[in-house]
Amino acid sequence: DAGVIQSPRHEVTEMGQEVTLRCKPISGHDYLFWYRQTMMRGLELLIYFNNNVPIDDSGMPEDRFSAKMPNASFSTLKIQPSEPRDSAVYFCASSLVFTDPYEQYFGPGTRLTVT
Amino acid sequence: RKEVEQDPGPFNVPEGATVAFNCTYSNSASQSFFWYRQDCRKEPKLLMSVYSSGNEDGRFTAQLNRASQYISLLIRDSKLSDSATYLCVVKGVSGNMLTFGGGTRLMVKP
Repeated sequence: DAGVIQSPRHEVTEMGQEVTLRCKPISGHDYLFWYRQTMMRGLELLIYFNNNVPIDDSGMPEDRFSAKMPNASFSTLKIQPSEPRDSAVYFCASSLVFTDPYEQYFGPGTRLTVT
Repeated sequence: RKEVEQDPGPFNVPEGATVAFNCTYSNSASQSFFWYRQDCRKEPKLLMSVYSSGNEDGRFTAQLNRASQYISLLIRDSKLSDSATYLCVVKGVSGNMLTFGGGTRLMVKP
């Protein structure tokens, strides 16, 4: 069974450019999460969806960040315009509404470098 | 104050040693607790849940002290393959949001 799929795995872009990160959650999962990980701030939740509906986007740093989930099998995180401080690893994770123990399954991440 | 705090380490231990990590959380209403493991340049993965009565999974023992808002992970007979970052994770009352600690890095040496 395929896990969470993310693309691209690596992205290098120049400041001011638009960046789009993509995620395919595990089939059947109800929840999708976008995280950002840096050395300084650790793993931070940016936004999460339940049944394709955004539930909490309080972690989105600024208006330059936006996320969509047009259907149950696809989500995007867009940064426009990108800045060097956006450089980080971005993880997508998915989960069922309830499991015991509860578990989020993470994708391999997208390593973003903004120069 | 961070919601979930951990000593970042690194903890450098020889093979076969016993090592313990601690974690504190600030929200007394937190419901569920976990340890995740993250290998270098990889994604986090669930290691084990932490139950109030304490629980064991092979060489790993997790304990929770709700009164002190404190979680621990004990690794016995450390292996080289245990080298990783261990993330303390807390789940709130509502929704399925997880809050991650900054992680504790473990390096097991031959």
